[in-house]
Amino acid sequence: DAKTTQPNSMESNEEEPVHLPCNHSTISGTDYIHWYRQLPSQGPEYVIHGLTSNVNNRMASLAIAEDRKSSTLILHRATLRDAAVYYCISGGYGKLTFGQGTILTVHP
Amino acid sequence: EPEVTQTPSHQVTQMGQEVILRCVPISNHLYFYWYRQILGQKVEFLVSFYNNEISEKSEIFDDQFSVERPDGSNFTLKIRSTKLEDSAMYFCASSDGDAYSPLHFGNGTRLTVT
Repeated sequence: DAKTTQPNSMESNEEEPVHLPCNHSTISGTDYIHWYRQLPSQGPEYVIHGLTSNVNNRMASLAIAEDRKSSTLILHRATLRDAAVYYCISGGYGKLTFGQGTILTVHP
Repeated sequence: EPEVTQTPSHQVTQMGQEVILRCVPISNHLYFYWYRQILGQKVEFLVSFYNNEISEKSEIFDDQFSVERPDGSNFTLKIRSTKLEDSAMYFCASSDGDAYSPLHFGNGTRLTVT
C-alpha cells in the first residue's frame, strides 16, 4: 500500500464546508483512494472511494488531483456529528492500512 | 440499514485464558475481516477470510489466533492464551463480493486482559 500523509488535526465551524487533504505521492496506477472515518467509541465507517475521477455520494465528495498524488475529502456542510478521525487509505481493499488520520473538530 | 454486530461489547479475561469474540456480518456479504486497535494507536489489520478459509493475515495473527465461521451467520475470533498485550478493541468487518466494495465495521469488542 502506498503511504499517505494527512494533517494531524483540523477544525471547522458547524454548517461550513470542510476540505480534508491527503497526499499519496507513491500511489500506483491501480490503487484506489479510500476514506473512512471513526467516530468516538465506534468502529471505522466507510465514507467514499475513487480511482481517478471525482466522486460524490450522500456523505461527501472526493476530489482527486489529475496526477493522483493527492486528494481532498470535502464535507459540504459540517455538522457536530462529523467530528471524527478521518483516514485516507490508498490501495488495500480488504486489507486496509490505517494511518493516524486527521482529527476533525467541529465547533457549534 | 444492515449492520455488523459484535458481542460482547466488553470482555474481561485473565492472562492465559482463551477468549472468543463473536461477530454477525451482514447477511449477503462474502468477505470477513478482523482488525484491532490498541488504545491510542492505529487500527491494524489482523486477518481476512473468504470461502471458509483465511485469505490473508498479518504478522500479528500468530498461532494464538484463529478464526472460524461455524455456521451461516457467525464469524469468530479465538485467542487461545491471552497476553496482556492483547488488550485492545477488536473490530469485525464484512464486505460483499466486489473487490472494491467498502468494508462495513462493527462497533467492536473491548478486550481487557488482566
